[in-house]
Amino acid sequence: KNEVEQSPQNLTAQEGEFITINCSYSVGISALHWLQQHPGGGIVSLFMLSSGKKKHGRLIATINIQEKHSSLHITASHPRDSAVYICAVRFPFGAGNNRKLIWGLGTSLAVNP
Amino acid sequence: EPEVTQTPSHQVTQMGQEVILRCVPISNHLYFYWYRQILGQKVEFLVSFYNNEISEKSEIFDDQFSVERPDGSNFTLKIRSTKLEDSAMYFCATLDRAGYGYTFGSGTRLTVV
Repeated sequence: KNEVEQSPQNLTAQEGEFITINCSYSVGISALHWLQQHPGGGIVSLFMLSSGKKKHGRLIATINIQEKHSSLHITASHPRDSAVYICAVRFPFGAGNNRKLIWGLGTSLAVNP
Repeated sequence: EPEVTQTPSHQVTQMGQEVILRCVPISNHLYFYWYRQILGQKVEFLVSFYNNEISEKSEIFDDQFSVERPDGSNFTLKIRSTKLEDSAMYFCATLDRAGYGYTFGSGTRLTVV
């Protein structure tokens, strides 16, 4: 059974700080997603990774397939980055698996001005 | 940008009542999903829907739950006889034709009293 674990569960930062959120998983996957959940509950997809590194604005996501680990970095953090960041993984497509996501619990980030 | 639309945004219902949660998925996407998130817990997979039929369902998705796409546009989740433990945020999601990009609805917060 694939488990997805994130750390830390809660994170408070000062504006401008560099932030790292970690995700680890227990079995082989086909893709890992980073998502952002706003206080109202809405979910937005940030990145999909199967290898290497991706960057979008101040967000950087990396994955190490061998170590079954991914990190989400936020550079020059801002109060508007305050949200819950969730890691979710997807198994390789096959019988009985239809590209569903298995989710971590999320990291609640608060960036203070 | 195409959106997944969910209605209602909030629903309060009496225990034992039937509820129908509605989603308008992105029309040219192929896979549709329902997920739920009980307060303070991980997002959980309920069911996936492909080619007008269920392609995978979780242990949570018992006989009290059903999904259908009655008119080729709406994608509905029905809970026949709600229980207190069905109180959660329910998300509809679609997967694009390339098989990598998920789009989420803003969720329906269901409260069973």
